[in-house]
Amino acid sequence: GAVVSQHPSWVICKSGTSVKIECRSLDFQATTMFWYRQFPKQSLMLMATSNEGSKATYEQGVEKDKFLINHASLTLSTLTVTSAHPEDSSFYICSARGASSGSGELFFGEGSRLTVL
Amino acid sequence: DAKTTQPTSMDCAEGRAANLPCNHSTISGNEYVYWYRQIHSQGPQYIIHGLKNNETNEMASLIITEDRKSSTLILPHATLRDTAVYYCIVSTYGGSQGNLIFGKGTKLSVKP
Repeated sequence: GAVVSQHPSWVICKSGTSVKIECRSLDFQATTMFWYRQFPKQSLMLMATSNEGSKATYEQGVEKDKFLINHASLTLSTLTVTSAHPEDSSFYICSARGASSGSGELFFGEGSRLTVL
Repeated sequence: DAKTTQPTSMDCAEGRAANLPCNHSTISGNEYVYWYRQIHSQGPQYIIHGLKNNETNEMASLIITEDRKSSTLILPHATLRDTAVYYCIVSTYGGSQGNLIFGKGTKLSVKP
């Protein structure tokens, strides 16, 4: 099946710094990517929808200036957590849908665990 | 998207069939039923999806009632590695509107 890869799988940073997470579709072109966040013992929450070549669409309550999303190519989307604080510590997961996704499912990355000290 | 209702948790004996129910009484005519699972600290894994007809693949079977208001995911021979949180999601097919809204899912524990 299609593969979506995230990097890094985990990262620890100091409060106030910025962290970039990459999401790549390895064997298909992803016109649309989605970014989710998951806090411990909770379900995934959609943060934003990223479309190649256009601005991301953010869900209500998600600060677009804090969570910068760039989808510059059909195989790469990045999420940058700017001026990270301990409350941003979470499991960030991306998913991708192909340009001609015949079966309809979304493919998810392995997730990136962010810990802000 | 329509909401779904799933039991919070279920246990299943290893080797037995695991039947996970899901209610989606407000599903729209153009919405599919998707099942994903999430093993601890990993990204969700696609299992199966369907619209009206029952579906089967190498992982599981999906039984959708005729009125489409509920469905059941069947893992025919559960193994310890099937222990995970299983999410039943209804969503339109494809396009940027086809994102998935996750509920709380069912935590399936497969026991030896």
